[in-house]
Amino acid sequence: QVQLVQSGAEVKKPGASVKVSCKASGYTFSNYAIHWVRQAPGQGLEWIGRIIAGNGNTKYSQTFQGRVTISRDTSASTAYMDLYRLRSDDTSVYFCARGYVGGIDHWGQGSLVTVSS
Amino acid sequence: QSALTQPPSASGSLGQSVTISCTGTSSDVGGYNYVSWYQQHPGRAPKLMIFEVTKRPSGVPDRFSASKSGNKASLTVSGLQADDEGDYYCSSYADNSNWVFGGGTKLTVV
Repeated sequence: QVQLVQSGAEVKKPGASVKVSCKASGYTFSNYAIHWVRQAPGQGLEWIGRIIAGNGNTKYSQTFQGRVTISRDTSASTAYMDLYRLRSDDTSVYFCARGYVGGIDHWGQGSLVTVSS
Repeated sequence: QSALTQPPSASGSLGQSVTISCTGTSSDVGGYNYVSWYQQHPGRAPKLMIFEVTKRPSGVPDRFSASKSGNKASLTVSGLQADDEGDYYCSSYADNSNWVFGGGTKLTVV
């Protein structure tokens, strides 16, 4: 079965960077995309960007352009999201999710990133 | 890219039906047949309930149905059950390879 297992919770200071990982199993990693979506406490879902695992092509939301990098290691079936220059309002649960042409289907369990001085 | 518009809340009685709307623009909902709906329970990851406007993944009850007209998509939950309570989000593909989510609707089963 499709599984996406994310790295654990992180606590960072404002201005720092964070890297969240997402290990995929149960399907051919290179045949799909990985999306990153975040959810601030008590708020809705916000799309950050995606990487096409097969060719590494990335697309970022304008909101995060310049402050995020999504990458992947196909040999490890793992995707990564780096977010830079963290602010307190970046405190959120960050989800990775599998994507295909028509949408986003399976989701990881989420990784809480807390930004606090 | 602006978020899709959903009502903040919806409610229905056990066994009744409720419909949640999701309004976008011709650059997202109206322009593509790539609207999805997700259910989220507190502290959990979203779960795909509908994809490509009307399709249900295996395992999702046929009490969940959806449609689209113009820039507006809708999710209908029939025969409401207690476990249907939760937050529901729509999502759509948008111009220039973007994806956008709705603000979410909290469904209460009374």
